[in-house]
Amino acid sequence: AQSVAQPEDQVNVAEGNPLTVKCTYSVSGNPYLFWYVQYPNRGLQFLLKYITGDNLVKGSYGFEAEFNKSQTSFHLKKPSALVSDSALYFCAVRRLVDKAAGNKLTFGGGTRVLVKP
Amino acid sequence: DVKVTQSSRYLVKRTGEKVFLECVQDMDHENMFWYRQDPGLGLRLIYFSYDVKMKEKGDIPEGYSVSREKKERFSLILESASTNQTSMYLCASTDETRGQGYNEQFFGPGTRLTVL
Repeated sequence: AQSVAQPEDQVNVAEGNPLTVKCTYSVSGNPYLFWYVQYPNRGLQFLLKYITGDNLVKGSYGFEAEFNKSQTSFHLKKPSALVSDSALYFCAVRRLVDKAAGNKLTFGGGTRVLVKP
Repeated sequence: DVKVTQSSRYLVKRTGEKVFLECVQDMDHENMFWYRQDPGLGLRLIYFSYDVKMKEKGDIPEGYSVSREKKERFSLILESASTNQTSMYLCASTDETRGQGYNEQFFGPGTRLTVL
């Protein structure tokens, strides 16, 4: 079965410093990996995804993520955090394709990011 | 832009009531989803629909049912609300056909349901 782990419940970072949100996964076959962000009282917004190709994926709002197959990780990064990046971040992996599972995602528990001025 | 709307942002119901949560998407997506979001548990899939009148159970379907009579609308029904169904409910849609899985899902703003 597929699973996603976000080992940190919360990450605190000062504005202007690099931000990293960790994600590891367990999946059979090639993983399709996603990051979503949830701002307060809002639904989830898509940030970026890895399907195939270059291991470094660039996404919205200056975020990027690096796919590391040997470590089964897909950490989200931003070189210089902003106060407005404070939000809840979710990593997700596509489930194995069976009769109708291709579109289903398994989500991690979420990591709250707090960027302090 | 894709828009996914949910009928209520906040809802308060009493134990035993039948509750309807509505979701509408405006981009002709085939696939729609209902999740519940609880702290530390991430999002858990309740039900999934890949076409009109077609549905599949997700990971936690107990106590819920769904209806998809039109392509743009996907309803979640709590047959008899219980306090353990107090949660944030998120609807999502995506435009890819079954078996692909590489397009992102688009989410509604969520409904925070409290069952007293």
